[in-house]
Amino acid sequence: DVKVTQSSRYLVKRTGEKVFLECVQDMDHENMFWYRQDPGLGLRLIYFSYDVKMKEKGDIPEGYSVSREKKERFSLILESASTNQTSMYLCASSYRSYNEQFFGPGTRLTVL
Amino acid sequence: ILNVEQSPQSLHVQEGDSTNFTCSFPSSNFYALHWYRWETAKSPEALFVMTLNGDEKKKGRISATLNTKEGYSYLYIKGSQPEDSATYLCAFHQGGSEKLVFGKGTKLTVNP
Repeated sequence: DVKVTQSSRYLVKRTGEKVFLECVQDMDHENMFWYRQDPGLGLRLIYFSYDVKMKEKGDIPEGYSVSREKKERFSLILESASTNQTSMYLCASSYRSYNEQFFGPGTRLTVL
Repeated sequence: ILNVEQSPQSLHVQEGDSTNFTCSFPSSNFYALHWYRWETAKSPEALFVMTLNGDEKKKGRISATLNTKEGYSYLYIKGSQPEDSATYLCAFHQGGSEKLVFGKGTKLTVNP
């Protein structure tokens, strides 16, 4: 059974902290994605990766960075968390870019 | 920035009603159109990936049609059940791009 896991379901951090969100997929997928979901705005792409060590900016990359050192793992990093980064973060993966995406359960991040 | 519009934003129906909603997307440089169902407290799950103009796909009581020339897709649910309550997302995949652009979703509530 296809599986995408995220390191935390809920996370509370303070302004200025460095935050790591981890995503792991067990399907040998090439592509991995990080989205954030905010009420009234839908799913917005932060960053994606189509291969190990490769990354591309999405629509809202400011304030974020990513790391993909291994094929199965894609990390989202908030270098210095701010209150406007309070959101639901969803990771997804797909075999190829045109295939369906499989989503993780999400991490609800609150920055105080 | 690509615009993917979904309507209506929300919908309340009675159990047993049939319903449909719309996704509009750019008609140029089309590659694929995805539909996802996102139930509360769960991850989004793919329903359909559609690539051909005129295509119609079906999964149980849910079906979707695609018109790439005019840039729209319809999702139909026949005989709605309370378990169909979810947010339905469409996502547009433009040719030459690695990423999906999501609409804001249609939130369906089916009352018993």
